[in-house]
Amino acid sequence: LAKTTQPISMDSYEGQEVNITCSHNNIATNDYITWYQQFPSQGPRFIIQGYKTKVTNEVASLFIPADRKSSTLSLPRVSLSDTAVYYCLVGLWSQGNLIFGKGTKLSVKP
Amino acid sequence: EAQVTQNPRYLITVTGKKLTVTCSQNMNHEYMSWYRQDPGLGLRQIYYSMNVEVTDKGDVPEGYKVSRKEKRNFPLILESPSPNQTSLYFCASSWDRLQETQYFGPGTRLLVL
Repeated sequence: LAKTTQPISMDSYEGQEVNITCSHNNIATNDYITWYQQFPSQGPRFIIQGYKTKVTNEVASLFIPADRKSSTLSLPRVSLSDTAVYYCLVGLWSQGNLIFGKGTKLSVKP
Repeated sequence: EAQVTQNPRYLITVTGKKLTVTCSQNMNHEYMSWYRQDPGLGLRQIYYSMNVEVTDKGDVPEGYKVSRKEKRNFPLILESPSPNQTSLYFCASSWDRLQETQYFGPGTRLLVL
């Protein structure tokens, strides 16, 4: 049975690059990995999605190694407004299921 | 504006008093779902719907009901709420269950006394 694991919390300073890793065993080659950002009192908001190698958009990059046992969300040069909880979500075609990580609380300090 | 709306946003009720939380999306999405969020447990899926009249259980369906009579609406029903259903609830929609980006509503905070 697939499962995802993320660090509970991370601290960073403004201007630094932050990498948050999600471990996910037993995922197939066409299972998508999606990352969401959530601020207090709001619903999760889409950041980035991919299923292999590297994906980059205007706010983040997603790195998925060949073994696909983990994925890393990379936030370049974080600011105070990036303080939020970040969730990884795996869409498991093989099992017909969605698995949410428990979230990583990122605190960005000045 | 593309959005998912939920009502009410906040609700305090008593044990056993039936309640309904509404969810509506204006993106013509086929897939809709309900989650609950609790401290330390993250987001857990309650029910989902692949299309009108098609619903299925998620990870924590006990004590909840749903219906999908129209594509845009997906209400969550608590027939006899209990204190352990005190939580933050989110509705979400997308084109596809497993691949497409999910759009989340603003959340409904429920307190069952």
